[in-house]
Amino acid sequence: GQNIDQPTEMTATEGAIVQINCTYQTSGFNGLFWYQQHAGEAPTFLSYNVLDGLEEKGRFSSFLSRSKGYSYLLLKELQMKDSASYLCAVRDNYGQNFVFGPGTRLSVLP
Amino acid sequence: SQTIHQWPATLVQPVGSPLSLECTVEGTSNPNLYWYRQAAGRGLQLLFYSVGIGQISSEVPQNLSASRPQDRQFILSSKKLLLSDSGFYLCAWSLHSEPYEQYFGPGTRLTVT
Repeated sequence: GQNIDQPTEMTATEGAIVQINCTYQTSGFNGLFWYQQHAGEAPTFLSYNVLDGLEEKGRFSSFLSRSKGYSYLLLKELQMKDSASYLCAVRDNYGQNFVFGPGTRLSVLP
Repeated sequence: SQTIHQWPATLVQPVGSPLSLECTVEGTSNPNLYWYRQAAGRGLQLLFYSVGIGQISSEVPQNLSASRPQDRQFILSSKKLLLSDSGFYLCAWSLHSEPYEQYFGPGTRLTVT
């Protein structure tokens, strides 16, 4: 079956660093994606990993370990505008089938 | 640049009524197109995707259907809505190449009463 797990909610302080974890069990694997979704809005693409290791993009970094079925999104120098849900998604080997996790709602406090 | 449109933005429909949601993409050719549903406080559920005109793949059996009559147009339909069809419907597109990151439209919030 297809299963992706993420913590439901996290809270962090402005200026801090937060790590959002994602574990997956899917029938195939052809890339892992992170999206940001502000309340009531559409998701926006943040990052993509297909090989093991760390991908850095400004304040955002994403890590992947395929052998462990594990990824994390690291947000540095948190800002109030980073308060949003963060969605982990896996593309399996079958065409364009994407499986999304339930999302982690991050609240950044002053 | 590419733009994706969805309409309507919000919709309230009675149980048993039909549904038609439309999505169009501008600024790209032959995109992959997707329909997702997001229930309140939940993740995205892939409903349909299309890799070309007339080519539709269904991921979840239900009372919804999709069609792609033109290259950049994707339509989600139902003949009879159920209460469980309420949710936030999102259309997305991607290129036909790695990494296939998706770009989402503004969404339609559907309430079935």
